[in-house]
Amino acid sequence: GQQLNQSPQSMFIQEGEDVSMNCTSSSIFNTWLWYKQEPGEGPVLLIALYKAGELTSNGRLTAQFGITRKDSFLNISASIPSDVGIYFCAGQGIGNQFYFGTGTSLTVIP
Amino acid sequence: DAGVTQSPTHLIKTRGQHVTLRCSPISGHKSVSWYQQVLGQGPQFIFQYYEKEERGRGNFPDRFSARQFPNYSSELNVNALLLGDSALYLCASSLVGQVWIGTQYFGPGTRLLVL
Repeated sequence: GQQLNQSPQSMFIQEGEDVSMNCTSSSIFNTWLWYKQEPGEGPVLLIALYKAGELTSNGRLTAQFGITRKDSFLNISASIPSDVGIYFCAGQGIGNQFYFGTGTSLTVIP
Repeated sequence: DAGVTQSPTHLIKTRGQHVTLRCSPISGHKSVSWYQQVLGQGPQFIFQYYEKEERGRGNFPDRFSARQFPNYSSELNVNALLLGDSALYLCASSLVGQVWIGTQYFGPGTRLLVL
């Protein structure tokens, strides 16, 4: 099945640094979602985006729905150790199917 | 409110066997979707059900089937298990789902190991 291209694949950063990751698709999406997954658990919803150009924040997290509807980015400001995990983007395209990105593994060094 | 619940949490089967996984959506949610997540990859969409009807299907063989019950809970069935079916199976629920799935909330998953 189709998967969205997510970059970078992994990140190792110092506590307090800002983080930026993005997601691209060859298809137009109507909805973009960002999830965080920790080992042995299901993905937890962080931010949902419903309109092209939309910029939404959730605490230290900010995400944007790209104008072309083919991309989205997620920023995390002032990272802390509990930000560690795998971040996935997800989008809904045609035919009621949801596609997930390949994931960005984030490691925060105290 | 309780979140999405799935059972069992872990399961070990042998090749050729059949497995049934269960999911209860968040109260009030009418749509349930199933995903397969192989280690190291993102979840792959298998099925979406809304109001007991299949509304979306991913690229999975016919050995995979699902259904949704009047109380909106759902079962995922996999026949003739293969080693490659070993994965975390995730269920997600959302409020809507006839033509637009909307925001999905995931359960903790069922980890299936096929030996």
